Amino acid sequence: DTGVSQDPRHKITKRGQNVTFRCDPISEHNRLYWYRQTLGQGPEFLTYFQNEAQLEKSRLLSDRFSAERPKGSFSTLEIQRTEQGDSAMYLCASSSRTGTNEKLFFGSGTQLSVL
Amino acid sequence: AQSVTQLDSQVPVFEEAPVELRCNYSSSVSVYLFWYVQYPNQGLQLLLKYLSGSTLVKGINGFEAEFNKSQTSFHLRKPSVHISDTAEYFCATYNQGGKLIFGQGTELSVKP
Repeated sequence: DTGVSQDPRHKITKRGQNVTFRCDPISEHNRLYWYRQTLGQGPEFLTYFQNEAQLEKSRLLSDRFSAERPKGSFSTLEIQRTEQGDSAMYLCASSSRTGTNEKLFFGSGTQLSVL
Repeated sequence: AQSVTQLDSQVPVFEEAPVELRCNYSSSVSVYLFWYVQYPNQGLQLLLKYLSGSTLVKGINGFEAEFNKSQTSFHLRKPSVHISDTAEYFCATYNQGGKLIFGQGTELSVKP
């Protein structure tokens, strides 16, 4: 399978705990995106990387959230001191081209439930 | 600022009937528009996109969309739906920062 993979598929945690998600993009893709999707809403942009550099962060990304892409390949998204409002689907996407002809390939997401 | 609005949150339809999922956009600059589909427990998949040129865009799985500048719309259509088309559909565009932003989604439910 050469698509975008995310791990875990589901995560249930208690409020106040830290969680970390992983995304493995398509191997030759240099751009990697994180989105968050809540029930009944479309995905919302959180942050993106060009290779290992994090080039943009949305205002949605509070300082409890941190993302890394240490070697320009896989990426991790960590949420510290989780809150119930963090419950959502976290989607990762990757692409290899920029500009208007960019095509994003999405993973299946990590569903986070904060109790 | 660029944005898209999907006018229907849910669209129930019978198998083999035609369907139209509505999307209106708001933009003061060049418009690039997309439709994505999300099947249950799967990631988003690109159905079709409008960048320029012909206003009628054909995508995968028999879907098409028409860019209408005067009505600022980009509605998605299929002449005859199948049970397997049951999914969430998202209209999308680029924001000013060049990031993909999505509408609220339309849940298409195809009944036998």
